[in-house]
Amino acid sequence: AQSVSQHNHHVILSEAASLELGCNYSYGGTVNLFWYVQYPGQHLQLLLKYFSGDPLVKGIKGFEAEFIKSKFSFNLRKPSVQWSDTAEYFCAVNANQAGTALIFGKGTTLSVSS
Amino acid sequence: EAGVAQSPRYKIIEKRQSVAFWCNPISGHATLYWYQQILGQGPKLLIQFQNNGVVDDSQLPKDRFSAERLKGVDSTLKIQPAKLEDSAVYLCASSSRPYEQYFGPGTRLTVT
Repeated sequence: AQSVSQHNHHVILSEAASLELGCNYSYGGTVNLFWYVQYPGQHLQLLLKYFSGDPLVKGIKGFEAEFIKSKFSFNLRKPSVQWSDTAEYFCAVNANQAGTALIFGKGTTLSVSS
Repeated sequence: EAGVAQSPRYKIIEKRQSVAFWCNPISGHATLYWYQQILGQGPKLLIQFQNNGVVDDSQLPKDRFSAERLKGVDSTLKIQPAKLEDSAVYLCASSSRPYEQYFGPGTRLTVT
């Protein structure tokens, strides 16, 4: 069965610090990979996605993620976080078939202090 | 473009009562999903519709949960009777392109 593991439950950073959130998935076939973000009081929004091609993908607000197939990983990075990045971040995967549902990790809460 | 709409936003019920949630997807989106998000966990799929047909309901507790999508547009999710462990946020999502899903604000259910 597919599963997604997010290594960090809660990350606390100061503004301007660099961020890396780990994500590993378990699935034998071709997958699509996503990072979603949920800001306080808001709904889940897509941050970035990987379907194929360049394994380094760039998303909104300066975030990027790198797909490393050999490690089954899709880590999220940002060189310099801002207070407004405080949110919960979810890694998700689905099988590379049209319309399949997402399997989510448990999420990582990021708290950024100014 | 209007987003996915859900109502109510909050609901408090006692155990053994019934409750229903409503979702209106983005116009033209053929695929609709209901997810359950328990506190401290990521969303988990309950049921997926393609137009008004069920694609996947393998994780739906069918003894108490039911869902329908009449005319391939709006959808309702019902719980009857509710248990304490059903306390969660119920998320509706829709998609038109195969892999991008757009989420609504969710309904936060508290069962006492």
